Amino acid sequence: QKEVEQNSGPLSVPEGAIASLNCTYSDRVSQSFFWYRQYSGKSPELIMSIYSNGDKEDGRFTAQLNKASQYVSLLIRDSQPSDSATYLCAVNRNTGRRALTFGSGTRLQVQP
Amino acid sequence: GAGVSQTPSNKVTEKGKYVELRCDPISGHTALYWYRQSLGQGPEFLIYFQGTGAADDSGLPNDRFFAVRPEGSVSTLKIQRTERGDSAVYLCASSSWGLAGVPNTGELFFGEGSRLTVL
Repeated sequence: QKEVEQNSGPLSVPEGAIASLNCTYSDRVSQSFFWYRQYSGKSPELIMSIYSNGDKEDGRFTAQLNKASQYVSLLIRDSQPSDSATYLCAVNRNTGRRALTFGSGTRLQVQP
Repeated sequence: GAGVSQTPSNKVTEKGKYVELRCDPISGHTALYWYRQSLGQGPEFLIYFQGTGAADDSGLPNDRFFAVRPEGSVSTLKIQRTERGDSAVYLCASSSWGLAGVPNTGELFFGEGSRLTVL
């Protein structure tokens, strides 16, 4: 079982719709959770972080965390063609290894 | 510098050759990470430095891979006897984790990567 699992996609949504991206993780001691966006040929950039159960909103983005279910999601409201990218879920234990473990990413396509 | 700088941006080499990839982190960042990313995959952890020391090298795939950070700033990833399977984008990232009074937000700042192709 991979430490961080994501559906590879592509997830295709029409412009203006809500895109829902999901991620599960296997290590129960994971404490910090992140969503990175990666455009084709570019490096990952952080768009959201979440540390406690519940929702966290930032503009059009909402991250949701459920530690009991070991599940984290990202909602993108009013999706734009410029949101088309690969979205990487990453987790951090905050103890021991201080590096992020990434999922393989979900490719999002927003159709104009 | 303003961001994480990696050189070379592209490297083509022949199987069996030795390769060095360089990373210059954001000024003042004590933590430095090397990841490897293959097509269609997420970044795969290789090694993490806190200052000059390798705090975690558990991701290095074998003893052909080695990394150093002698002065706690610039790091070099060294790959001996390259194999075709080593072809990937090697990403370097830095963070402020470890600086006094700075919480570990987990945010990594990535460079643009070094694309390695082994023929």
